[in-house]
Amino acid sequence: RKEVEQDPGPFNVPEGATVAFNCTYSNSASQSFFWYRQDCRKEPKLLMSVYSSGNEDGRFTAQLNRASQYISLLIRDSKLSDSATYLCVVNTDKLIFGTGTRLQVFP
Amino acid sequence: DTAVSQTPKYLVTQMGNDKSIKCEQNLGHDTMYWYKQDSKKFLKIMFSYNNKELIINETVPNRFSPKSPDKAHLNLHINSLELGDSAVYFCASSPRDRGRNYGYTFGSGTRLTVV
Repeated sequence: RKEVEQDPGPFNVPEGATVAFNCTYSNSASQSFFWYRQDCRKEPKLLMSVYSSGNEDGRFTAQLNRASQYISLLIRDSKLSDSATYLCVVNTDKLIFGTGTRLQVFP
Repeated sequence: DTAVSQTPKYLVTQMGNDKSIKCEQNLGHDTMYWYKQDSKKFLKIMFSYNNKELIINETVPNRFSPKSPDKAHLNLHINSLELGDSAVYFCASSPRDRGRNYGYTFGSGTRLTVV
């Protein structure tokens, strides 16, 4: 079983749509959690940290459920510029990356 | 100013050659990492150094040898390159104690192609 599992997608959504990504992780001792974004042929960039209380950054909302070992990312009012691969990331003593979920927003 | 810089950006070389990739960070971070992203886009950690000391070595073939002359630099030397080494190699850094909450900063990657 992979340490961090994500649906690879692709998710093809129209501009303005709301889209949700999910992720599960296997190590219950994981200490912190993130969503990263990776554009084609670019490096991963930190999108946001994820907290149990849930956190929001503009159109992006992240949620962590430690009991279910489940992380989510919600993107509201999708923009064309949101098209990218979204990586679920778990920190034990190092960052463990999921394989990513590809999002394509179309006009 | 580039926070984490890697050189070269692209590297094309023949099987059996030895090559090096350099990484430098100007963020004042204590910990640096090498990650490999294969053709399936899976990012996997290879090594981690904290203040010049190796702290993570993830069952990487010993043809790969990291070297950290100081805490701002982490280089990767690869001997006897094989076709399967073709990938994008990312350097990253984090603050030692805050990395767990603040994530890592990545360099722009080195695309290695072995022919």
